[in-house]
Amino acid sequence: DGGITQSPKYLFRKEGQNVTLSCEQNLNHDAMYWYRQDPGQGLRLIYYSQIVNDFQKGDIAEGYSVSREKKESFPLTVTSAQKNPTAFYLCASVGGNIQYFGAGTRLSVL
Amino acid sequence: GNSVTQMEGPVTLSEEAFLTINCTYTATGYPSLFWYVQYPGEGLQLLLKATKADDKGSNKGFEATYRKETTSFHLEKGSVQVSDSAVYFCALRGGSNYKLTFGKGTLLTVNP
Repeated sequence: DGGITQSPKYLFRKEGQNVTLSCEQNLNHDAMYWYRQDPGQGLRLIYYSQIVNDFQKGDIAEGYSVSREKKESFPLTVTSAQKNPTAFYLCASVGGNIQYFGAGTRLSVL
Repeated sequence: GNSVTQMEGPVTLSEEAFLTINCTYTATGYPSLFWYVQYPGEGLQLLLKATKADDKGSNKGFEATYRKETTSFHLEKGSVQVSDSAVYFCALRGGSNYKLTFGKGTLLTVNP
């Protein structure tokens, strides 16, 4: 089955630690996106990539980093510089002018 | 810049009631408009879309019409079910990339 796989489903971060969220798609889509979802605030764009080896900052990129070495993969690193990382993170890819979403990763701080 | 304003929730209805969730937008040019639905603990699923003025998107009994004159894309369903309980997001895409601008979401709870 084609789709977008995010892992892990739940993730815990200690103070000062970097953590990486995985996003893999087998839809052969060029463009991929990362969003952060907080209660009552909708989705906010962190980073996006329209092709391999290229990516752009979204509206709230501070404290996050990404890479796009392969078409299928767009991992997001939440760095220690992100002081309020607790949120639900959603990855999406674009096909036929439509964004398709993964099931999300819930990140909490220990 | 682009923005989406949607009706604040939560909205609580009885089964078989009529649903309207209001959505208005601000954008330059001719954006595409979307409604996404999010069930508890899951990602977002596309519910319906419209790409030009007067288009009506429909799916699973839900409908929304792209009204350029009122910059609106209200979501409606004639008879809701308990299984429709979810968060609904209105979104627009404008410009040359695929970036979506989302509303804050509306929580719908349908009681039996």
